[in-house]
Amino acid sequence: QVHLQESGPGLVKPSETLSLTCSVSGGSINSYYWTWIRHSPGKGLEWIGYIYYIGTTDYNPSLSSRVTISLDKSRNQISLSLNSVTAADTAVYYCARGAGTSGYPFDSWGQGNLVIVSS
Amino acid sequence: SYVLTQPPSVSVAPGKTATITCGGHSIGSRSVHWYQRKPGQAPVLVISYDSDRPSGIPERFSGSNSGNTATLTITRAVAGDEADYYCQVWDGSSDHPVVFGGGTKLTVL
Repeated sequence: QVHLQESGPGLVKPSETLSLTCSVSGGSINSYYWTWIRHSPGKGLEWIGYIYYIGTTDYNPSLSSRVTISLDKSRNQISLSLNSVTAADTAVYYCARGAGTSGYPFDSWGQGNLVIVSS
Repeated sequence: SYVLTQPPSVSVAPGKTATITCGGHSIGSRSVHWYQRKPGQAPVLVISYDSDRPSGIPERFSGSNSGNTATLTITRAVAGDEADYYCQVWDGSSDHPVVFGGGTKLTVL
């Protein structure tokens, strides 16, 4: 059974870059879409973007100017980078797996990584 | 962009049935997925494609979808069902293709 685990700093200063990694074990990155989703109390679940195993990406338009998602197949890892962060980016960040777009569910999720943006 | 509307909170007595709705324009023409989120835990897919239960999800969880409303039903509620529940669809015609409802806090009391 696939297992996803997010890792990264829990505290980031305003205007700096948030960087998180999702490590995948018990399964391959191949043939799946890997998605980052965040949860904040005021906004619920928010889709950040996804990357297909061949490298194709799609991002939330509200974040697209600041976000980059990449993957490292050799390490079975997916990375998230969000620059110029503000307090509004404080959230729990999740990675999740989907078999495709246009109707597929996210069938596996990580436990999440809480990131607080504060000086 | 497509909007999904959920009630902020639902309360249910132990052993009774909880119903959580997810409203959207012609949502019945889309596939709806439901997720359970508990603090500190990985969210769990509890219903996929309107009414399918993934392996390991109790039969107490069921879903339906018609018209402008999708529904998650939890029968014989137990304390462990207390969580936030989110509905989700894909909106392929939008540049914001993944849409979540605002979430419903289920309280079992």
